[in-house]
Amino acid sequence: AQSVSQHNHHVILSEAASLELGCNYSYGGTVNLFWYVQYPGQHLQLLLKYFSGDPLVKGIKGFEAEFIKSKFSFNLRKPSVQWSDTAEYFCAVKTDSWGKLQFGAGTQVVVTP
Amino acid sequence: GAGVSQSPSNKVTEKGKDVELRCDPISGHTALYWYRQSLGQGLEFLIYFQGNSAPDKSGLPSDRFSAERTGGSVSTLTIQRTQQEDSAVYLCASSFGSGVSGNTIYFGEGSWLTVV
Repeated sequence: AQSVSQHNHHVILSEAASLELGCNYSYGGTVNLFWYVQYPGQHLQLLLKYFSGDPLVKGIKGFEAEFIKSKFSFNLRKPSVQWSDTAEYFCAVKTDSWGKLQFGAGTQVVVTP
Repeated sequence: GAGVSQSPSNKVTEKGKDVELRCDPISGHTALYWYRQSLGQGLEFLIYFQGNSAPDKSGLPSDRFSAERTGGSVSTLTIQRTQQEDSAVYLCASSFGSGVSGNTIYFGEGSWLTVV
């Protein structure tokens, strides 16, 4: 079945640590890839997106993600996190056959001061 | 408008009552999506529209749920005979198209529904 998997459900790390969140999807055709963030009490916001071209995309707030087609992955990274990065992060995939935007289960990230 | 607008932002209703949730997408966006986010849960797809038609309504959890879109713009999600398990945040999103043509999907702030 077509799906989107996020490997970590809960991540706790200290400020200045590096962050990497995994995302894999199961679909062999053309995909549009997204990472959304939801800060506590707020609505979903787009962090970054990949449609085509350079597989390394940069988003807001120092986040970046790399699309590796051979691994069906779109991992999110940030070299040095801040307390304000505490949030839930969702990977999402759109394909030419799904129509809808399919979300992963989300990863809750807690950054301690 | 500037963004996806949803109303009401908060709704408390008694079990068994019907509720209507409204979504006003970004002007010109032809695709419209409804999702549900329950406490501690991820984002659950409900239905999406391309124009006024709904190519995929596979996520509607029961026949108590229905949605319509008129004029290719505003959409209404209706929940009949609400149950406590319907309590959730109902999110609406829109985009220029529904294919993989590089269209960003923008979300509204959600309608918080509490069934008591």
